[in-house]
Amino acid sequence: SQTIHQWPATLVQPVGSPLSLECTVEGTSNPNLYWYRQAAGRGLQLLFYSIGIDQISSEVPQNLSASRPQDRQFILSSKKLLLSDSGFYLCAWNPGMGDTQYFGPGTRLTVL
Amino acid sequence: AQRVTQPEKLLSVFKGAPVELKCNYSYSGSPELFWYVQYSRQRLQLLLRHISRESIKGFTADLNKGETSFHLKKPFAQEEDSAMYYCALLGSSASKIIFGSGTRLSIRP
Repeated sequence: SQTIHQWPATLVQPVGSPLSLECTVEGTSNPNLYWYRQAAGRGLQLLFYSIGIDQISSEVPQNLSASRPQDRQFILSSKKLLLSDSGFYLCAWNPGMGDTQYFGPGTRLTVL
Repeated sequence: AQRVTQPEKLLSVFKGAPVELKCNYSYSGSPELFWYVQYSRQRLQLLLRHISRESIKGFTADLNKGETSFHLKKPFAQEEDSAMYYCALLGSSASKIIFGSGTRLSIRP
C-alpha cells in the first residue's frame, strides 16, 4: 500500500535561517506531489505542485522553493526564513490528474 | 478565476441538529468538487466527491450549478463530526485541487 511521510514533525527556527522539509511517498511511482501551507484562519494554500522529476509549478510568489530530485521525494526549502513562514506544512500526493489527494502528517514550523 | 469560498470559519450546532456547511465555487465549465475533512490529530482526508454521489458518515453534498454551490449536509449531527472541513475544486489543469479556507464544525453535546 502507498504511504506518505513528512519530516520533521515539528521545527523551530530563527528568522533568517535556512529551511528544508522533506516529503517521500512509498508504494507508487510517478505520483503528482503537492506542498500546502495551512495557516491559522487562512485555510489551505497550495504552494507548489509537481507532475514529475524536476517539474515544479509555483502557485504563489514567496520566500520558499521546492525541488523534486527523485520520483517520490519532494523538498520544500528556503534560504532565509521570515516570521510569516510560520505555519503547518502539508505534503500530498495523488496517482494522476483529478484523483483524490492523500495527505501526509504535516510539519509544524515556528519561526522566531 | 477558479475559486472556492467557504463563508463560515466556524459553525457550532447541537448534537442531533441538522448541519449544513456552505461552499460556493467559481469555475467556467463542468466543475469537479470534493469535501475533505481533518479530525483532531488525524490527517486531512477525502470525505466525498460529487461524482461519486455517495453518502459518507451520513454526509451528502449536491452540486447546484445554478447557484454554483456544493453545500455539505447531514440531517443529525454527531459529536464525532467535530472537525475542520474543506471544500475543494479540481482546477482546469486537472493537476491541482483548489481548496477553500475551511470551516471548523463544532458539535455541542
